[in-house]
Amino acid sequence: DIQMTQSPSSLSASVGDRVTITCRASQSISNYLNWYQQKPGKAPKLLIYGASSLQSEVPSRFSGSGSGTDFTLTISSMQPEDFATYYCQQSYTTPYTFGQGTKLEIK
Amino acid sequence: EVLLVESGGGLVQPGGSLRLSCAASAFSFSVYEMNWVRQAPGKGLEWISYISSSGITIYYANSVKGRFTISRDNAKNSLYLQMNSLRAEDTAVYYCARAPGYSRNSFDFWGQGTLVTVSS
Repeated sequence: DIQMTQSPSSLSASVGDRVTITCRASQSISNYLNWYQQKPGKAPKLLIYGASSLQSEVPSRFSGSGSGTDFTLTISSMQPEDFATYYCQQSYTTPYTFGQGTKLEIK
Repeated sequence: EVLLVESGGGLVQPGGSLRLSCAASAFSFSVYEMNWVRQAPGKGLEWISYISSSGITIYYANSVKGRFTISRDNAKNSLYLQMNSLRAEDTAVYYCARAPGYSRNSFDFWGQGTLVTVSS
């Protein structure tokens, strides 16, 4: 199975901060990397697919980059509604594994 | 608006069975690949099963292979997960999730989830 490792596991940030989360795959997954946001008690929401494509209706402050094994999710200016847990997921091959999550908290 | 609504969760004893359903509406269900993803309390996300639009191609995570069966009824716009030989570690919120055609198995719409609790 492909292991997905996110860093950091948690992060404190302030409104307006630029935040970057990284995701590393245990083997090359080309650009088959997706990012999700999850708020407590809610289903995950797709933010980025194909490593860098912004899902419809997702604010442009979210961006993704990377290919092969190393990927990043960047939030250019944190907004109050962005404090949540973020997961990466590889869709290169089954099982479609997720990272362990990164919890963004208010500083 | 695309809607996925799961049902069928509940409390079941270890070794028991449960059948989850996911009712889809407001999109052409029959042309979309579908998945089940679960989340144990306080834990991360775990993909557990995939089914192609026709139902011919199916995949499972090793953790559920041989115990869970995914299926679909395109005439009823419904996805199912038959869960047998349930264990305590199967306790989780179970989500059905749609895979959009423009991206290989990202999940663009999710249901609200249904909680399965395996306990005596």
